[in-house]
Amino acid sequence: DADVTQTPRNRITKTGKRIMLECSQTKGHDRMYWYRQDPGLGLRLIYYSFDVKDINKGEISDGYSVSRQAQAKFSLSLESAIPNQTALYFCATRQGTGELFFGEGSRLTVL
Amino acid sequence: QKEVEQNSGPLSVPEGAIASLNCTYSDRGSQSFFWYRQYSGKSPELIMFIYSNGDKEDGRFTAQLNKASQYVSLLIRDSQPSDSATYLCAVMRYGQNFVFGPGTRLSVLP
Repeated sequence: DADVTQTPRNRITKTGKRIMLECSQTKGHDRMYWYRQDPGLGLRLIYYSFDVKDINKGEISDGYSVSRQAQAKFSLSLESAIPNQTALYFCATRQGTGELFFGEGSRLTVL
Repeated sequence: QKEVEQNSGPLSVPEGAIASLNCTYSDRGSQSFFWYRQYSGKSPELIMFIYSNGDKEDGRFTAQLNKASQYVSLLIRDSQPSDSATYLCAVMRYGQNFVFGPGTRLSVLP
């Protein structure tokens, strides 16, 4: 089993729908992140959390919200999905100042 | 100016050749530099990291850092078709988050 698990792996939805992407980790890391990846733009940070009581906006947080339900769980919500949120979303974890470990990705298509 | 820049490619090299991937960054306070490999549709995985000026070797991979020129590179010796992927450069200032470049797509031709 993957150390960083994302669900769903693929989702097709319609404009205006609420969507939640979930991430859970077994690595015991304190820091969790949500990134989106678009062709030619690399990975852009949406939100990050250093522990359960700490939530921070990244560079592209508009239209997104997050919840850190537990040390091992970090979910990303799109309250009202729009087509330009179609992207590949990655959850990542990190312990202190170490490397980032990525989940397998969630491909979201908004029609 | 983008914080981390990479040539998007594709960079094509023949099998067995040396592939050279380059990355420049704008924040002079950057302290840690990472190279991730990402196969199509998959998640990024760490290849190497480097903190100090100079070269760092790991098997067929060598990372080179020149802080004065704000330049970091990744050399892949004896390139194999399995090395065909997108390579992401990431830069970090201590206590802050990773900043990723857009990635360079490498194609190793058999």
